[in-house]
Amino acid sequence: EPEVTQTPSHQVTQMGQEVILRCVPISNHLYFYWYRQILGQKVEFLVSFYNNEISEKSEIFDDQFSVERPDGSNFTLKIRSTKLEDSAMYFCASRPTASTDTQYFGPGTRLTVL
Amino acid sequence: RKEVEQDPGPFNVPEGATVAFNCTYSNSASQSFFWYRQDCRKEPKLLMSVYSSGNEDGRFTAQLNRASQYISLLIRDSKLSDSATYLCVVIGSSNTGKLIFGQGTTLQVKP
Repeated sequence: EPEVTQTPSHQVTQMGQEVILRCVPISNHLYFYWYRQILGQKVEFLVSFYNNEISEKSEIFDDQFSVERPDGSNFTLKIRSTKLEDSAMYFCASRPTASTDTQYFGPGTRLTVL
Repeated sequence: RKEVEQDPGPFNVPEGATVAFNCTYSNSASQSFFWYRQDCRKEPKLLMSVYSSGNEDGRFTAQLNRASQYISLLIRDSKLSDSATYLCVVIGSSNTGKLIFGQGTTLQVKP
């Protein structure tokens, strides 16, 4: 069964450094999402992406964040200058078409900012 | 008011028990409703969609009451493997399909 993959599974970085989290959505899916979950808190929406552009972003998704689909298979989340409060699990999800609501989640990347 | 509100629990029940979780949502224009399951430090996994007519999948039954903006999940004959956090999830009025998650309700099934 196809699945969403994410790399790395765990990323440790120093405050102020740039990180890129990578996701490979399910092939032929058209809608892509990033969510994050700070330890002990709820899953929060960051951004949605469709047709090579951002379709919606949350207040969390400020100028430090960007997303890209560079080659038709990868979907990346970049944090330019990480802060301690960016430490969280980051989940990528994809959805096949507009007619289905189901999103398929990747296993997540745990980001630790020191 | 939180967009999606759940009792965080934990609910500690013996094997074989029936347990019910509730959830309320604030946006009356919300379109779709789900229960997800999340194991510790893992990704959310879809358990079932929730429809106004109610739906059942084995030991799991979900109900939606649009008038009260209330969603429920009933688990019958609890198994040890049901121990997890159950997330109430809503798609709001946005047409992007973004999911809005509740805090989750933790279930611990004990032998």
